This record gives sequence, structure tokens and C-alpha cells, in this order.
Amino acid sequence: EIVMTQSPATLSVSPGERATLSCRASQSVSSSLAWYQQKPGQAPRLLIYGASTRATGIPARFSGSGSGTEFTLTISSLQSEDFAVYYCQQYNNWPPYTFGQGTKLEIK
Amino acid sequence: QVQLVESEGGVVQPGRSLRLSCAASGFTFSGFAMHWVRQAPGKGLEWVTVISYDGSTKYYADSVKGRFTISRDNSKNTLYLQMNSLRAEDTAVYYCARDRDYDILRAGEIDYWGQGTLVTVSS
Repeated sequence: EIVMTQSPATLSVSPGERATLSCRASQSVSSSLAWYQQKPGQAPRLLIYGASTRATGIPARFSGSGSGTEFTLTISSLQSEDFAVYYCQQYNNWPPYTFGQGTKLEIK
Repeated sequence: QVQLVESEGGVVQPGRSLRLSCAASGFTFSGFAMHWVRQAPGKGLEWVTVISYDGSTKYYADSVKGRFTISRDNSKNTLYLQMNSLRAEDTAVYYCARDRDYDILRAGEIDYWGQGTLVTVSS
């Protein structure tokens, strides 16, 4: 099973600033990597798939990069609605599909 | 618009069974692979199971293999999760979710999620 490790666990950033979230896979997942956003009491929302392709309706301030074992989600200019928990997920070697433990993005 | 609505969960005693359903609308249900993903209270996401567009192929997480069964009725646009021999560690919000692809071999990009339903396993 591929283990996904996200860092940091919590990230404190001011509105308008850039946020950079990291995700590492225990072995190569090629570009089979997705990012999800989850707000309290809500279901996750797909942000990025294929490591770098934005899902439908996702603002351009969200971008994904990386391949192999190292991935990054960047939010270029944080809006108030962006403060949430973010999960990465691999779908290269499955079952199981595996998620990272999440990064909580909080307001500084 | 895509809608996925799970049935109500509830409190179940350890060892008992529960069946969840998920009513899909706003898209061609028979054209997509479907997943169940769960989230224990205050914890992260855990993938549970996936089923192909036609129901012919299914995969499970080791934690539920042999106890849970996923199925679908494309004539009713409904996904199911039969959960047997429930354990305390199965306590979670269960999400019904759609894959971006119909082909289970290309599955894994989960683009729509239901609102989730809480299943509590407790005596």
C-alpha cells in the first residue's frame, strides 16, 4: 500500500498571501495524484487531478505540480473561503486508493 | 446538476448489519464508476470500495473485505453498500462518490461527493 504523507499538518497564512502544501508518496505514483478541499461539515471537493489539471469550476489561483513522489498544491492569493483542510490522494497503485492525513490551512 | 443523496445511517450494534443507499441524479449514472469513501469522526478520508459502471467489477479496502459489499442498480440510479459484521472502527461518515471515468481501470479521480451519512457502531 502506498503511504501518502502531507506537510505541514497545519499551515497558518494571511489572506492574500501564497500557500504551499506538500504531499509525498512512499513510492512513485507517476502523475496519478488528486487534491481535495474539505470545509467543516461538508463533503470533499475535487480541486486538482492528474497532479496539475484543475477540476471544473476551480479558480485559477489553485495550481498543482509534481510527479513521481513529490507533489505541491499552491494557492496563489488566499481568499477567506480557501481556509479548509486539504487532502492529496494517489490512484496509481490500487486498491487501495490512499489519502494523505490532510493539511489544515488556517488564517494567520 | 449532479446530486448524490445517501440514505440515513444510524446507530448499529457491533456485529449487526446495515445497508446504505445513494440516489444519483443529474447525470447518466450507468456511465460512471462509483465509490464509497468514509471518514471517522475528526479523522481523514479512507477509501472503502469502488464498482465499475456496469457492476461487473468491484474492489475493496482490506479493512472491509469480506464484510462489506458494494452494488448498483442502474435502472434505479442507485448505489448500495451492504455492511455486515460491523465493528466499532467502522464508525464514520460514509460518502457516496462518483468517479470521473466509467472504466474502473482508469478510476480514482473522484469528482462528485454526496453529503455523507453517519454510521455509529456502538452497543
